[in-house]
Amino acid sequence: GAVVSQHPSRVICKSGTSVKIECRSLDFQATTMFWYRQFPKQSLMLMATSNEGSKATYEQGVEKDKFLINHASLTLSTLTVTSAHPEDSSFYICSARQPPPSTDTQYFGPGTRLTVL
Amino acid sequence: AQSVSQHNHHVILSEAASLELGCNYSYGGTVNLFWYVQYPGQHLQLLLKYFSGDPLVKGIKGFEAEFIKSKFSFNLRKPSVQWSDTAEYFCAVTAVIGSYIPTFGRGTSLIVHP
Repeated sequence: GAVVSQHPSRVICKSGTSVKIECRSLDFQATTMFWYRQFPKQSLMLMATSNEGSKATYEQGVEKDKFLINHASLTLSTLTVTSAHPEDSSFYICSARQPPPSTDTQYFGPGTRLTVL
Repeated sequence: AQSVSQHNHHVILSEAASLELGCNYSYGGTVNLFWYVQYPGQHLQLLLKYFSGDPLVKGIKGFEAEFIKSKFSFNLRKPSVQWSDTAEYFCAVTAVIGSYIPTFGRGTSLIVHP
């Protein structure tokens, strides 16, 4: 199956700093990438949909100025958590999707554990 | 907007027991349906999916799911579980319209005792 990588896998930062997370589709072109947040023992909460070459679409309640998403190419999307605070600590997961309607299948990255001190 | 309900949040079984995990969604239009699995310490991976055709779908590792349109359900089944099936299971739905935005259920934690 298709492979999606995320970097870094784990990051610890001080409150007030910014953190960038990269999501790459390694063997296919992803017109759409999704960013999720997963809380312990809970489901994936969709944060935003990232389409190559256009602005990301954020879900209700997600601050677009805090979670900056850039999808500059068909294989790379980045999520920047700006001015991170302890409440931003979480597990962030990206997925890449080959375009529907023929596929509509997401391939998930391994996730990034963010800890804000 | 669609929503997805997984009724079993925690399931504990012994090896060789049969498994059925419920998944219901709320959306009146056409949907694509998925089950994903997340093994401990690993990333989510696709178990099976339904787009159209035969409503009984077979996936990897002996799993299957049946789409019952009248019940808005897509339950996951396995006749005989193994210890290695211990994982989190997520049902997901995509409305076949617009941007095909996915919605996930809250997940079911399955523990299989050897």
